[in-house]
Amino acid sequence: KAGVTQTPRYLIKTRGQQVTLSCSPISGHRSVSWYQQTPGQGLQFLFEYFSETQRNKGNFPGRFSGRQFSNSRSEMNVSTLELGDSALYLCASSLSGGLDTGELFFGEGSRLTVL
Amino acid sequence: AQSVTQPDIHITVSEGASLELRCNYSYGATPYLFWYVQSPGQGLQLLLKYFSGDTLVQGIKGFEAEFKRSQSSFNLRKPSVHWSDAAEYFCAVGAREYGNKLVFGAGTILRVKS
Repeated sequence: KAGVTQTPRYLIKTRGQQVTLSCSPISGHRSVSWYQQTPGQGLQFLFEYFSETQRNKGNFPGRFSGRQFSNSRSEMNVSTLELGDSALYLCASSLSGGLDTGELFFGEGSRLTVL
Repeated sequence: AQSVTQPDIHITVSEGASLELRCNYSYGATPYLFWYVQSPGQGLQLLLKYFSGDTLVQGIKGFEAEFKRSQSSFNLRKPSVHWSDAAEYFCAVGAREYGNKLVFGAGTILRVKS
């Protein structure tokens, strides 16, 4: 059974550009969550999608957005990139909508470097 | 607001020695508690979780954790550490009303001396 797949694994952008990251969840999983991991701030929740609807949103500016498609694949977009957006972006999928009914499985992440 | 504190940024343990990683949380309702491990360049792997019931939970790779409500703690333990346990460990808290959202601690980097 394939795990959570994130693409691209590495990318370099310059300030002011935008970036789109993709996450393919485990087959059958309907929930996809995104996290940002940086040395300074640690792991921070960005947002969660369940059955194409954003269910939860973290405390990030509007430059960070996401969506989920009918096949549960998810994308997140960051516009007008800043140096501080350099991070490892982790996606996690879950079969269900609750932590007590389904385990979160994490992908290996997309490492974004902003120059 | 939910918060998780892992007071130890780095811990070094000799191979074969016991290990305890500390985690304290702050949350008003009944928390769901987790420990994850992350090896360099990898995603997070779930070691164990606590929702309710028996306060001592067993996980994978020989790890266990004990939930102590009075101390708001969920410390991770292993009786005998192996060199392959070297990694970064994260404690996390969630709650039913927040869906699949997790709040993570800052992490503890474990070094294993041979």
